Amino acid sequence: DIQLTQSPSTLSASVGDRVTISCRASQSISSWLAWYQQKPGKAPNLLIYKASSLESGVPSRFSGSGSGIEFTLTISSLQPDDFATYYCQQYSDYSCTFGQGTKVEIK
Amino acid sequence: QVQLVESGGGVVQPGTSLRLSCAASGFTFSSHGMHWVRQAPGKGLEWVALIWYDGSSEYYADSVKGRCTISRDNSKNTLYLQMNSLRAEDTAVYHCARWFGLKNAFDIWGRGTMVTVSS
Repeated sequence: DIQLTQSPSTLSASVGDRVTISCRASQSISSWLAWYQQKPGKAPNLLIYKASSLESGVPSRFSGSGSGIEFTLTISSLQPDDFATYYCQQYSDYSCTFGQGTKVEIK
Repeated sequence: QVQLVESGGGVVQPGTSLRLSCAASGFTFSSHGMHWVRQAPGKGLEWVALIWYDGSSEYYADSVKGRCTISRDNSKNTLYLQMNSLRAEDTAVYHCARWFGLKNAFDIWGRGTMVTVSS
C-alpha cells in the first residue's frame, strides 16, 4: 500500500500568514492527490483534487502543487475560518490512504 | 440538496455485529462508487471499504477484511456496512463518502455515525 506522510503535524500561525503543508507519498502517484479540510465534529470537505485543481466553491487562497511523490497545500493568507485539520489522500490499486493530518492552530 | 446521511451506530459489546446505513439524496446514486471512511476519537481518517457504482466489486482495508461487508441497494439509494466480530479498535465515527472518479477524490461526505465497541 502507498503511504502518505504529512508535515508538519501541527502548525501555529496567525491570520494573514502564508501557510504551507507538505505531503510525501511512498511511491509515485502522478498527480492523483486530493486535500481535505476538517473541523471538529464535522465531515471532511474537499479542497483540491488532482494535486492542483480547486474544488468548486473553495476560496482561491487555497492552492495545491506537486506531482510524483511530493505535494504541497498552500493557504496564501490564513483566515479565521481556516483553523482546522488538513489531510492529503490518494487512491490507487483499489485502496485509499490518507496522510496523518496537519492541525493548523492559532498562534 | 446533495447529501449523505448515516445511521445505525451505537454502543455494542466486543464480538457482536452492527449494520450501518447511508441514505443518499440529491444525486444519481447508481452512477457513483461509494466508500466508508472511519475516524477513531482524536485520530485521523482511515479508509474502510469501497463498492463500485453497480455493486459488482468490493474492496476492503486489511484492518476490516473478513469482518466487514459493504453493499448497496441502488433502488433504495442506500449504502450499507455490515460489521461482524467487532473489536475495541473499531470504535470510530463512520462516514460514507461519494467517490467522484474524474477527480479521484471524495466530493460528498456524510456527517457520520458513531460506533463504540466496549464491554
